[in-house]
Amino acid sequence: DSGVTQTPKHLITATGQRVTLRCSPRSGDLSVYWYQQSLDQGLQFLIQYYNGEERAKGNILERFSAQQFPDLHSELNLSSLELGDSALYFCASSKGLQNEQYFGPGTRLTVT
Amino acid sequence: DQQVKQNSPSLSVQEGRISILNCDYTNSMFDYFLWYKKYPAEGPTFLISISSIKDKNEDGRFTVFLNKSAKHLSLHIVPSQPGDSAVYFCAASAGYAGNNRKLIWGLGTSLAVNP
Repeated sequence: DSGVTQTPKHLITATGQRVTLRCSPRSGDLSVYWYQQSLDQGLQFLIQYYNGEERAKGNILERFSAQQFPDLHSELNLSSLELGDSALYFCASSKGLQNEQYFGPGTRLTVT
Repeated sequence: DQQVKQNSPSLSVQEGRISILNCDYTNSMFDYFLWYKKYPAEGPTFLISISSIKDKNEDGRFTVFLNKSAKHLSLHIVPSQPGDSAVYFCAASAGYAGNNRKLIWGLGTSLAVNP
């Protein structure tokens, strides 16, 4: 158990819909990262927050957005969903702007 | 442009033998490298790391070797155990302004350790 929690574990929704994925970092960690893993793909970095502020952006679509709240939990919002958005979405956290990231169990999103 | 490459999508070894997973990178600014292990339906787990000032780091059965001139690193698992069967990801980072580091990930190598 990494100490990073993600909800929900599974999510099934239809194209065009909007969903919110939630992440609670490990106690004391200020950085939160979001990743997408599609079938047969590696981990694609989406976005990073540090203490409430966006710090780095990766291959995040404009239909996706994220935020980190004062209590340090983070939400990833995915809108106008397409079939290709079906993937595992992982959240990770780290103490600072460091390298060792600790991953949550992921949210499996299925868009039908 | 894949800056971190794991050219072997899969590897199969016999229990008790050595597993060698390889990783190549193209960005000479990378100065920190990590290996993560991932079981199905779980998040990746940090395994071992190495700084570019070293050429070897060891932790129990796991050793990472770094060859900067070849831009190559490898993870050795000795002896391999069936529980090591997982996907192994190589990741690299460089220090940017403000000390903000972004990990660049390889696509992973699936290791199967056969009893």
